[in-house]
Amino acid sequence: EVQLVESGGGLVQPGGSLRLSCAASGFIYTDYWMTWVRQAPGKGLEWVASVNQDGGEKHYVDSVKGRFTISRDNTKMSVSLQMNSLRAEDTAVYYCARAPGSYDYWGQGTLVTVSS
Amino acid sequence: DIQMTQSPSTLSASVGDRVTITCRASQSVGHWLAWYQQKPGQAPKLLIYKASSQEYAVPSRFRGSGSGTEFTLTISSLQPDDFATYYCHQYDSDSTFGGGTKVELK
Repeated sequence: EVQLVESGGGLVQPGGSLRLSCAASGFIYTDYWMTWVRQAPGKGLEWVASVNQDGGEKHYVDSVKGRFTISRDNTKMSVSLQMNSLRAEDTAVYYCARAPGSYDYWGQGTLVTVSS
Repeated sequence: DIQMTQSPSTLSASVGDRVTITCRASQSVGHWLAWYQQKPGQAPKLLIYKASSQEYAVPSRFRGSGSGTEFTLTISSLQPDDFATYYCHQYDSDSTFGGGTKVELK
């Protein structure tokens, strides 16, 4: 059974940093791109970042470029999102998803709140 | 960047109704279009990928169609479990979601 479990969310002050992690299991991890998608309270879905199978290709939405870094550890079957210089508008539930093109499996999400 | 415009943003319908949601892309995305269903407090669920391919175990009443810049999700006979928010998603060039369509009870 495919499982994705996010962790690392919480309350952080504006300008602060947070690192999210997503542990994957139940599939051949190195066969897939992985992605992060976020959803602000009461709002729609927003793609954040994606990483290819070996971690050598990364893509970001413009609003997080230079602040967020996606990475993966294939030995631990995990993907991470390092978030720096956080802003109030980064407040959201962050989901990791498996990405063979479309996003076929999603984690349950982890809430990040940026507030003083 | 490719923009995705969904309509309507809210749709009021009754059980048994045929429901159609439209998604337009600002430029061609070929067939690289997916549809998701999301219920409150839950992660999105993939329904349709590559514009018209049904994900495993998705009921046949959900049908996707279209290509290029115009796409449609049709629910042939709305069931009680279908009241939710639906999103389109292009994955031709990076990734963009539509704004969502909330299907509510009339």
